[in-house]
Amino acid sequence: DTGVSQNPRHKITKRGQNVTFRCDPISEHNRLYWYRQTLGQGPEFLTYFQNEAQLEKSRLLSDRFSAERPKGSFSTLEIQRTEQGDSAMYLCASRSSGSSYNEQFFGPGTRLTVL
Amino acid sequence: GNSVTQMEGPVTLSEEAFLTINCTYTATGYPSLFWYVQYPGEGLQLLLKATKADDKGSNKGFEATYRKETTSFHLEKGSVQVSDSAVYFCALSEGGNQGGKLIFGQGTELSVKP
Repeated sequence: DTGVSQNPRHKITKRGQNVTFRCDPISEHNRLYWYRQTLGQGPEFLTYFQNEAQLEKSRLLSDRFSAERPKGSFSTLEIQRTEQGDSAMYLCASRSSGSSYNEQFFGPGTRLTVL
Repeated sequence: GNSVTQMEGPVTLSEEAFLTINCTYTATGYPSLFWYVQYPGEGLQLLLKATKADDKGSNKGFEATYRKETTSFHLEKGSVQVSDSAVYFCALSEGGNQGGKLIFGQGTELSVKP
């Protein structure tokens, strides 16, 4: 098992463009989380899935953001009409819902820069 | 709502010094508590965890005790090394039916000098 993977690792885009990130969780993990981390801050929760169902979305997730996990395996996070304020590290984490400790395993993140 | 507060950094220590990074939390119910570490250029890694009052989590010489009476989970290490230089995040997990999302503190940067 190679852990949680995210692609791309870096994305530079111009304001107004759409971007999509992918997360591949640890294979047996049915819960998948997205977080956003800005410089000098801790990660902030965006949304999470249990299998293919999106069960919670943060108020941080504006209408320009959409996340999917169509087959309960990998997930995508799309940002439409990007703004400079979207520049951040986007982190994905996964866990098994059977874990009594809620131990989440994080991917390396996708760093987004909006010019 | 639930929240986590950490001492501000950066913290600069000499090698072999004693480390304490303070963390306090506000939560309803009985959350699980975690310390994550982020080394330069790398992703978040779980350092240690505790799930109930008076539990002590430990790993790689680091320790933290879940103190419900003071709502604290301070990170300690008796003798730090240069390789411990990193950013440390305290976090709590909302349990039960709340999905288990993590709520993080703002992070504390540790720099250890030889």
